[in-house]
Amino acid sequence: DTEVTQTPKHLVMGMTNKKSLKCEQHMGHRAMYWYKQKAKKPPELMFVYSYEKLSINESVPSRFSPECPNSSLLNLHLHALQPEDSALYLCASRRQRSINEKLFFGSGTQLSVL
Amino acid sequence: GEDVEQSLFLSVREGDSSVINCTYTDSSSTYLYWYKQEPGAGLQLLTYIFSNMDMKQDQRLTVLLNKKDKHLSLRIADTQTGDSAIYFCAERVDGGSQGNLIFGKGTKLSVKP
Repeated sequence: DTEVTQTPKHLVMGMTNKKSLKCEQHMGHRAMYWYKQKAKKPPELMFVYSYEKLSINESVPSRFSPECPNSSLLNLHLHALQPEDSALYLCASRRQRSINEKLFFGSGTQLSVL
Repeated sequence: GEDVEQSLFLSVREGDSSVINCTYTDSSSTYLYWYKQEPGAGLQLLTYIFSNMDMKQDQRLTVLLNKKDKHLSLRIADTQTGDSAIYFCAERVDGGSQGNLIFGKGTKLSVKP
């Protein structure tokens, strides 16, 4: 299994809703990432989890709340989002055991906030 | 600070070679990557090169690295319409041992039949 799986693929939510994005990998990777990508822009790093502990938070607003319940799963909880939060949210993972590592991306969740 | 620059657009004819260029600023980069992104999809790792190499070939893809000039290029031989996508150059900066990637803005490759 060499995939990073993200669900749902598409999500439409109102500004008062609470929703969660899910990411799963079974490659034994111990670093997992959330990126945000606005249309026609490169991905921007949001959070990094290393061995299930949050190691980087790139000054992301608290309406985004990450969670890493185990080494295979990464969630992003969303609450009281704004329309400008509409974007493609990408999850990625890497092994973090040797220097020769690659970042594997999921296909993303396209989020629209109305 | 770190910065990765790419030209925004490239248009080629089917069967021609495409060359996508990238410059980066952080000389401590360890790995440099090329990702492909099709519309509405995630990023697909195409190839990567370690900073102590100057060339890597993988089927139709050739990566050239000029470390002195901090210049990276991706050559796609015999470009096909299925190669139409946005190509992101990314450098890995190992500050804090996190191996985070810094992405360029992406080059949109259009392949005309």
